[in-house]
Formats: sequence, structure tokens, C-alpha cells
Amino acid sequence: DAGVTQSPTHLIKTRGQQVTLRCSPKSGHDTVSWYQQALGQGPQFIFQYYEEEERQRGNFPDRFSGHQFPNYSSELNVNALLLGDSALYLCASSWGQGKAEQYFGPGTRLTVT
Amino acid sequence: AQKITQTQPGMFVQEKEAVTLDCTYDTSDPSYGLFWYKQPSSGEMIFLIYQGSYDQQNATEGRYSLNFQKARKSANLVISASQLGDSAMYFCAMREPSGGNQFYFGTGTSLTVIP
Repeated sequence: DAGVTQSPTHLIKTRGQQVTLRCSPKSGHDTVSWYQQALGQGPQFIFQYYEEEERQRGNFPDRFSGHQFPNYSSELNVNALLLGDSALYLCASSWGQGKAEQYFGPGTRLTVT
Repeated sequence: AQKITQTQPGMFVQEKEAVTLDCTYDTSDPSYGLFWYKQPSSGEMIFLIYQGSYDQQNATEGRYSLNFQKARKSANLVISASQLGDSAMYFCAMREPSGGNQFYFGTGTSLTVIP
């Protein structure tokens, strides 16, 4: 049973560029959430996708956008990268939007120079 | 106000001893869930234990137990018989319906197990 997978593992981008991160949920899961974890901090919720629509959004600017595909996989896009976007980006999947626990992927480490 | 507060940035415990990691939370929802995750240096968040707000008994999962004190809004994690592999960051998290079921995380506690 494959868990949550994310790609790429590491990424280095230049300020002002755009980046796309990818996530495949755990088998049987249909909901994907994205989190940003800055160094030394806890994860901060970016948004959640369910049935190919953004259902909930945290306090992040419109530069952060996403997409969910019919196979439940998801992408996180960040435009006009800032140095402060450097962080570990975690994807978590769950079944439904209810009370199920979330299972996390290994994360993508983004460095903006 | 912070939804989740973890006041112990770092903790040390002797191998085979028990350790308690503190967590307090803030919510006005009657229904909520509390979670603990372990994050090794590799970065992946590993689910450890869950406590629902209506659960009458404290949750247990192997060597992990959650000391749930609802009136004090406290959800401390107890790790018994610590092992070297327990050295990691530990995060307390809460999910509440009014927050759209997103997870709110604390700032974490770094646990080091000493041989």
C-alpha cells in the first residue's frame, strides 16, 4: 500500500521564478492538503482540495495556487517566488473532509536564492 | 491566540525512561480532534496518536499514550520506555470543524534520548 508521495525531493529556485510541486495521495484517499513548514516552525496550512476544488484556504497570498486531478493527485504552484518561500512543503492526504487523520508525505524542500 | 501551544522547545530523556511532552490547545468548538505527530530529521510527519474531544478514555497506541485533560485543555503525550529511535521533533495538532477541518500545529518539541 503506497503512502503519500511527493516530487521533487529538493528544489532550488531563484527569486521571482515559479515552481510546481506534486503530490500523490495514499491509496483510497480523496482529499489533499498542503502545508508550509519554515525552519524551526510547525507546519502552516496552505489549502485543501477535495473533489477537484479548493475547499479551505489558510492565510497565504494568491501567489499560492493549486489543482487536484481526477485521480486525486494534486499540484501546488507558487508564483513570483520570494526568499521567504524557502521551506519544507508537506502534502497530506485523508479520506473525505471529515474527522479522518491525515497522512503526510516526505515533503519537498524548496530553497529560493 | 495560538490554537496549539507547546512550551518545551527541547527535552532530554534517558533511554528506557518515560517522558511527557506538553500540549495545550484553544478552541470553542465542542467537537475537535487532537493529534500527535513525530518528525524525524528526514522530514516526514509520522502519525502517532489521536484523541477525540468526546472520547471518555485516554488514547493509547503501544508506547504512546495521550493524557487528555479536557477542562484544562491539555493533551500531553507520554512516551514510555524511551528508545534511541524516539529522538525527533514532536508536534501536537488540532482539527476543529469551525476551521474547516484544517490542522493547526504547535511549534514542536525536540526530544533527545540519551543512551
